Amino acid sequence: QKEVEQNSGPLSVPEGAIASLNCTYSDRGSQSFFWYRQYSGKSPELIMSIYSNGDKEDGRFTAQLNKASQYVSLLIRDSQPSDSATYLCAVYNNDMRFGAGTRLTVKP
Amino acid sequence: DAGITQSPRHKVTETGTPVTLRCHQTENHRYMYWYRQDPGHGLRLIHYSYGVKDTDKGEVSDGYSVSRSKTEDFLLTLESATSSQTSVYFCAIRRQSFNTEAFFGQGTRLTVV
Repeated sequence: QKEVEQNSGPLSVPEGAIASLNCTYSDRGSQSFFWYRQYSGKSPELIMSIYSNGDKEDGRFTAQLNKASQYVSLLIRDSQPSDSATYLCAVYNNDMRFGAGTRLTVKP
Repeated sequence: DAGITQSPRHKVTETGTPVTLRCHQTENHRYMYWYRQDPGHGLRLIHYSYGVKDTDKGEVSDGYSVSRSKTEDFLLTLESATSSQTSVYFCAIRRQSFNTEAFFGQGTRLTVV
């Protein structure tokens, strides 16, 4: 079983819609959770971090964490074509482990 | 920009040759990581370092070694390159604070022929 699981997609949403990205993890001792965005041919860039259960909002992005269910999600509101990228879920407990990523396409 | 520079950015090498990739940081961060990224696998941790001369293995460390003799440099060596090590390699740093976000270098595309 992979430590961090993501639906590989591709996920396609129309411009202006809400994109929902999901991630599950296996290590119950995990302390910190992150979402990275990676454009093709580029390095990952951090977009959200979350450390406690509940929701965290930053602009159009909302990260949700449920440690009991070992589940992290990212919502992107008012999706834009520029949001088209691969989104990586990362989990930290002594070291940082990543999921395989979900490719998101936002269609104009 | 977290002050991370990877070199070289691109390299083609032959099977069986040793290869060293360099990660250089300018901000004195304690934690440094090497990942490889392959289609369908995402980022997989190779080795990491939590200080000078302090390193540990990640999930895909076979065939790789690392060294950190100075805070600013973390070297990844492929002892004898194989075609399965063709990949994009990313270095990352993590700041020494409660916030454990990792920040990435630009990546090195390595092709083993």
